[in-house]
Amino acid sequence: KQEVTQIPAALSVPEGENLVLNCSFTDSAIYNLQWFRQDPGKGLTSLLLIQSSQREQTSGRLNASLDKSSGRSTLYIAASQPGDSATYLCAVGPGDKIIFGKGTRLHILP
Amino acid sequence: DTGVSQNPRHKITKRGQNVTFRCDPISEHNRLYWYRQTLGQGPEFLTYFQNEAQLEKSRLLSDRFSAERPKGSFSTLEIQRTEQGDSAMYLCASSFPLGDSRPEAFFGQGTRLTVV
Repeated sequence: KQEVTQIPAALSVPEGENLVLNCSFTDSAIYNLQWFRQDPGKGLTSLLLIQSSQREQTSGRLNASLDKSSGRSTLYIAASQPGDSATYLCAVGPGDKIIFGKGTRLHILP
Repeated sequence: DTGVSQNPRHKITKRGQNVTFRCDPISEHNRLYWYRQTLGQGPEFLTYFQNEAQLEKSRLLSDRFSAERPKGSFSTLEIQRTEQGDSAMYLCASSFPLGDSRPEAFFGQGTRLTVV
């Protein structure tokens, strides 16, 4: 059974710092991995998707990497801003459904 | 297309009442997913459709829950005889099918259910 773990559960950093969010999964037979952002009481916004054949994807200040063999992904956020404060969710697609981690609550201190 | 749309955004109901939620997916997508999310947790899979066929249901989906997707377009999720434990955010997502070059899943804003 696929399990997704995100560390840390919560993180507070001063504005301007670079930071890394971690995601691990137990079954390396994934189809893709997707990072989402969720603001309080809102739905999920897709940030980046990495297909199983890819190693990384970049969008603006965000960079996501994938190491299938070790069951890990990282989301790197450069030059953090207060507007980046949200919960970040990692999700893996084993094919038929998407399995989520519990998320990392990120707070950027102005 | 403005993305995945869910209605209502909020629903407050008394315990024992029935509720129905609606999801309109991105029109080109033939996969549609329902998830439930409680406070501090990640979304949990409930069920998914490919076109009008319901292909998988989670054990979380008790017999009080039913989902439909007539004609493979919009979907409804009905909860009968609601319980306080059903209070959660219900999320809908859609995507192209497995194997498509565009596998990204897109989520709606969710329906927040409060059972009092």
